[in-house]
Amino acid sequence: QSALTQPASVSGSPGQSITISCTGTSSDVGGYNYVSWYQQHPGKAPKLMIYDVSNRPSGVSNRFSGSKSGNTASLTISGLQAEDEADYYCSSYRSSSTPVVFGGGTKLTVL
Amino acid sequence: QVQLVQSGAEVKKPGASVKISCKASGYTFTSYYIHWVRQAPGQGLEWMGIINPSVDSKSYAQKFQGRVTMTRDTSTSTVYMELSSLRSEDTAVYFCARERTATTQDYYFEYWGQGTLVTVSS
Repeated sequence: QSALTQPASVSGSPGQSITISCTGTSSDVGGYNYVSWYQQHPGKAPKLMIYDVSNRPSGVSNRFSGSKSGNTASLTISGLQAEDEADYYCSSYRSSSTPVVFGGGTKLTVL
Repeated sequence: QVQLVQSGAEVKKPGASVKISCKASGYTFTSYYIHWVRQAPGQGLEWMGIINPSVDSKSYAQKFQGRVTMTRDTSTSTVYMELSSLRSEDTAVYFCARERTATTQDYYFEYWGQGTLVTVSS
């Protein structure tokens, strides 16, 4: 069982917006602003899309945005494009002997 | 440009050990922490541990304590991850990943190796 809870799958049509949730606890998502999101295409390494809850690394499209409320973080992708179809993982710092936890991943299908 | 190049796929028998390398280039090797993350077939990401190449300090996930060892060689800008007492559940792709921020631990993985498939089978 993953430390952070994500929906197994979400879908949307091109041009639409979707949101992926990531629920943790006060020991991770709720307690720190060290939340990140990764995009992974099949057979590839993950790619950092969001860090510090809502910041985008250089080169990441502004169609990707992040937010947090309480113990739940969210990734929103606006103006869906075919190339956005991928798996998405959230991650958070956790105050424990294992300081990095991931969500189970969400498969995004662009219809 | 920043690159992390990992060693090739391995096939190991249960009980054996595997040692994977991750050669860094394009930046100052000792300025950034390196992590190891694994992904079992069809599964999610799992954090294994972190090494500070500057001072050779390490921290491992509780799950892997006693079975994992991370080392570095500053002369070749390479970090290594050795996992012992392998079992079938260790079959996975193992990634090294570099943090985003120099000198400060931020737990954000901005650069990744290509991954190394380790298959554990009798």
